[in-house]
Amino acid sequence: ETGVTQTPRHLVMGMTNKKSLKCEQHLGHNAMYWYKQSAKKPLELMFVYNFKEQTENNSVPSRFSPECPNSSHLFLHLHTLQPEDSALYLCASSQGLGGGTDTQYFGPGTRLTVL
Amino acid sequence: SQQGEEDPQALSIQEGENATMNCSYKTSINNLQWYRQNSGRGLVHLILIRSNEREKHSGRLRVTLDTSKKSSSLLITASRAADTASYFCATDGTGGGNKLTFGTGTQLKVEL
Repeated sequence: ETGVTQTPRHLVMGMTNKKSLKCEQHLGHNAMYWYKQSAKKPLELMFVYNFKEQTENNSVPSRFSPECPNSSHLFLHLHTLQPEDSALYLCASSQGLGGGTDTQYFGPGTRLTVL
Repeated sequence: SQQGEEDPQALSIQEGENATMNCSYKTSINNLQWYRQNSGRGLVHLILIRSNEREKHSGRLRVTLDTSKKSSSLLITASRAADTASYFCATDGTGGGNKLTFGTGTQLKVEL
């Protein structure tokens, strides 16, 4: 276990549904991340939060809405998704030191299928 | 543009053999990291090499970095079936911050 948990592990939803992904880290880190991993594509960074503030939004469609109420919790709210949004969504955390020295600790991911 | 690209995309070897994976990147970096991912799971950090380092070891892992060629290699010696996974390099930029850019990965299969 890496100290980062994600729920649910699997999610199937219709295009009109609203659902949320949850991530929690127990490592005392200050930075949290959402990534999307699709088959045969590089890991795509979606959002970065440092000390609860969003510092990176990688041109993510508005149907994905992140929320970071505190440094330990990160949510990804989903609504009116498309089938091409089906992927493995990974959460990660790091100390938030910057300068590329941060090691990121990943959760196990949520496998999302949009019908 | 994509920062890291791993080569080969897939590698199949016998247990006990060495496995070498390469990563090329495009822009200047402060550090380069290697991660491992078991099928359908999260990534696990393996090793970090700084831009002023040329080689680093950790157990059966050896990482090299050639900043003049913008490339890195990961060598796993005496491979085991449990090493079967995907391996990714990740690079930062020199502009600070904590954003990493990952490559597409090398899928390693170690057969008994």
